[in-house]
Amino acid sequence: DIQMTQSPSSLSASVGDRVTITCRASQTIGVYLHWYQQKPGKAPKLLIYAASALHTGVPSRFSGSGSGAQFTLTINGLQPDDFATYFCHQTDNTPHTFGQGTTVEIK
Amino acid sequence: QVQLVQSGAEVKKPGASVKVSCRASGYTFITQYLYWMRQAPGQGLEWVGMINPSGGSTTYAQNFQGRVTMTRDTSTSTAYMELSILRSEDTAVYYCARGVFGYSHFDSWGQGTLVTVSS
Repeated sequence: DIQMTQSPSSLSASVGDRVTITCRASQTIGVYLHWYQQKPGKAPKLLIYAASALHTGVPSRFSGSGSGAQFTLTINGLQPDDFATYFCHQTDNTPHTFGQGTTVEIK
Repeated sequence: QVQLVQSGAEVKKPGASVKVSCRASGYTFITQYLYWMRQAPGQGLEWVGMINPSGGSTTYAQNFQGRVTMTRDTSTSTAYMELSILRSEDTAVYYCARGVFGYSHFDSWGQGTLVTVSS
């Protein structure tokens, strides 16, 4: 199985900050890497697919980059609604695997 | 709009089985694969398996082989996941999600079904 290592596991940030989250795959996965946001008690929501494509309706302050085995999710200008847990997801191989998540907390 | 609506919470005893449903609407059911994941309390997501609603073919994660069965009913646009020989470690929220053809990313999720296994 492909292991997805996400970092950091949590971070504290202020409204307006730029936040960067990294996901590393244990083998190359092309651009079969996606990012989701999850709030407590809710289902995840798709933010970015295919490493860098913004899902419909997602604010442009979210962006993704990377290919191969190293990927990044960036939030430019953190908003109050962005405090949540973010995780990556690879679909290059089955079983699909997920990062352990990064919780973004208010500083 | 695309919607996936799951069945309600379940409480089961160890050794029992549970069957969770996922009713799809807002799109043609047989055109996109459906996936099942679970999330134990305070944990990350774990992939359980997938079903092709068109022909009914399935792929399961090795961890669940022999205990999970995924089926679908095209007449009601509903997918099912049945997990047997339940143990306390199976306590989790189970999600279905629609995979988009191509990259297989999940653009729509069910609301989740809490399955509690307790004696």
